[in-house]
Amino acid sequence: NAGVMQNPRHLVRRRGQEARLRCSPMKGHSHVYWYRQLPEEGLKFMVYLQKENIIDESGMPKERFSAEFPKEGPSILRIQQVVRGDSAAYFCASSPDLQSYEQYFGPGTRLTVT
Amino acid sequence: SQQGEEDPQALSIQEGENATMNCSYKTSINNLQWYRQNSGRGLVHLILIRSNEREKHSGRLRVTLDTSKKSSSLLITASRAADTASYFCATGQAAGNKLTFGGGTRVLVKP
Repeated sequence: NAGVMQNPRHLVRRRGQEARLRCSPMKGHSHVYWYRQLPEEGLKFMVYLQKENIIDESGMPKERFSAEFPKEGPSILRIQQVVRGDSAAYFCASSPDLQSYEQYFGPGTRLTVT
Repeated sequence: SQQGEEDPQALSIQEGENATMNCSYKTSINNLQWYRQNSGRGLVHLILIRSNEREKHSGRLRVTLDTSKKSSSLLITASRAADTASYFCATGQAAGNKLTFGGGTRVLVKP
């Protein structure tokens, strides 16, 4: 049973470009969470999605960031017009249902904006 | 201060010694979880304790929760070099809900 998969593992973008981060949850999991981790800090919640629905986006910056979890395919975190401050590790986690407390994390995507 | 702050920020011990780290939080919680992160890697779930529990064990790990003080501790007994990692506490308000992480404790276990 494959774990949570994220790709790419490393992504380099120049300022102003777009970054697309993908997350495939564990098999059977329909809940996806995105977190961001700045160097030497803990993870900060960004957005919580179920299939085709955004449940909680209270941690998402108001501009340039968007997320989706389509009926088919991985969840996508999209950052438009990246700036240096977007450089961070972005982690995706999944859980099977609303009764689950534990979240299963992917290896993360490390975004570097030059 | 943020929800879920760990103390100390860094800890250096010899192999075989015990490592204790603490976590404090501000709001009411449904559960508290501890995760480990090796350098440059994702998070691995270690243990979960619910708000109506006071202590939990898993192998060499012991977690306590004091909801009156809004604090938790993680004890790693008989530490090994492989325990070198960052340890994070995370609080949840409900199942299927976002987690709020602390800043982490960086543990170095010297062989």
